[in-house]
Amino acid sequence: RKEVEQDPGPFNVPEGATVAFNCTYSNSASQSFFWYRQDCRKEPKLLMSVYSSGNEDGRFTAQLNRASQYISLLIRDSKLSDSATYLCVVNTNAGKSTFGDGTTLTVKP
Amino acid sequence: DAGVTQSPTHLIKTRGQQVTLRCSPKSGHDTVSWYQQALGQGPQFIFQYYEEEERQRGNFPDRFSGHQFPNYSSELNVNALLLGDSALYLCASSTSGRAYEQYFGPGTRLTVT
Repeated sequence: RKEVEQDPGPFNVPEGATVAFNCTYSNSASQSFFWYRQDCRKEPKLLMSVYSSGNEDGRFTAQLNRASQYISLLIRDSKLSDSATYLCVVNTNAGKSTFGDGTTLTVKP
Repeated sequence: DAGVTQSPTHLIKTRGQQVTLRCSPKSGHDTVSWYQQALGQGPQFIFQYYEEEERQRGNFPDRFSGHQFPNYSSELNVNALLLGDSALYLCASSTSGRAYEQYFGPGTRLTVT
C-alpha cells in the first residue's frame, strides 16, 4: 500500500461544475500537507497548504481530517484553465515529502 | 527574481554511465530537494540538502548522491545508470523556516538507453 493514495481519475467535468478530490495518507506522524498542481510536461506548482481548520483561496478549498487521515480539495465553478493533475503532498517533521500520484482533471466547455 | 533553474533540460545517456544534474534555487532559498518523477507517477523524494549537508533521504540506492554548495546550488549525481533511471528529475527549493513550501524547477529529462 502506498503512503499517499489518490484517485487517479480522470475527472471529466463541464465548466462551472464543482469537483472534489480526496487523498489518504498512512503515516499518522505526518505534520504538514499541501496541494500542488502540475500541467502536462511541466513542473509541479504549489497550490495551497492544508489545515485542520480548512483553507480557502478563491474557488479552492482545502481541508484536513487528521482522525481519518485524509485531505481534500474542492474546486468550485471550474474553469477550462483548471485542467491539470492535482498532487497531494504529505510531510513529516524529519524533512521527508511524500507525493501522491495525482488526480487528473479535465474541464470541458 | 529568478525562480529555480535546472540544467541541462534534456540528457541522453547509456547504461552504466554517470550523470550530473544541476540546480540553482530561487533567490532567498537555502534548502534544496531532489525528486524523480516517472511517467504517470508523482515525484519520488530522493534527498534534501540544507547547509551543505544531506538532511533527509528517500528510498534510493547509494548510486544516487548529491552535493550542496555554499551558494546553495546543488548537484545530483547518478552512477552506473540503469534503464529504470529514465525519468524527469526535479529540483525544488525552499527556505529552512518553511521547508515544505517548495518551488520546483522545470526539471531535467533523463533518458537512459
